[in-house]
Amino acid sequence: QVQLVQSGAEVKKPGASVKVSCKASGYTFTNNYMHWVRQAPGQGLEWMGIINPSGGSISYAQKFQGRVTMTRDTSTSTVYMELSSLKSDDTAVYYCARSGGESMNFDHWGQGTLVTVSS
Amino acid sequence: QTVVTQEPSFSVSPGGTVTLTCGLNSGSVSTNYYPSWYQQTPGQAPRMLIYSTDTRSSGVPDRFSGSILGNKAALTITGAQADDESDYYCVLYLGGGIHYVFGTGTRVTVL
Repeated sequence: QVQLVQSGAEVKKPGASVKVSCKASGYTFTNNYMHWVRQAPGQGLEWMGIINPSGGSISYAQKFQGRVTMTRDTSTSTVYMELSSLKSDDTAVYYCARSGGESMNFDHWGQGTLVTVSS
Repeated sequence: QTVVTQEPSFSVSPGGTVTLTCGLNSGSVSTNYYPSWYQQTPGQAPRMLIYSTDTRSSGVPDRFSGSILGNKAALTITGAQADDESDYYCVLYLGGGIHYVFGTGTRVTVL
C-alpha cells in the first residue's frame, strides 16, 4: 500500500532554515508528482508547491517563491522541502501529499511534520 | 487575489443531509478546475473523499457525493453519521502560475 513517511518535528529560530523529508513506498516513485501543503495551528490548508520526481521539474506557489526549495532523491524514493528565512508565522504542520496523476488531486498524505519557529 | 470560499460551519442531525459548497471569488467553478474534497479530523492528515468533481475515492462510503451546483462545487453528505464530524476542505486546480488553491474549510458538527 502507498505510504508516505515524513521526518520528525523540528524547532527552529527565526531566520533559520528547515528541511523536511518524505519517503515514499508502495508504488513507483517516479510515476506520481508530489505536493507540499502546510497548515498553521487552527488554520486551513495551504498549497506550497509540487515536484515531479521523474524529471525534477518544480512549481512553487507565488507566496513561497524565493524561500522554498523542493528536491528529490530517486535512489531513496524521498522528496524534500526546505524553507528558509523562517518567521514565527511559518510555524505549521507540513505535509507531503501524492498527486493522483491527471486527476489533479492529493490522493495519499504523509503524517505531517510540525515545524515550530520560536526564539 | 484568488480566494476559494466555503461555509465556516454546518450542523446536521444524525441521518440528515448537508451540502457544503466551494466557490471562487473570480468566477464560476466548473469541472475544468478538477474540484476535490478532503476530510480532516483533529490531529490527523487529510483524507481524500472526492476528486474530479464527483468521483469517490476508494473506500469512501457512498453517502458522500460531489457535484457542481450552480456556480460552485458541492459535497453532499446523505445520512450523516457521528464519525462524519470533521473539517472539510475543497481544493481547485487553477493552473498557470496559481496552480492549486484550498478552500477556507467547513467544520461539520453532527448532533
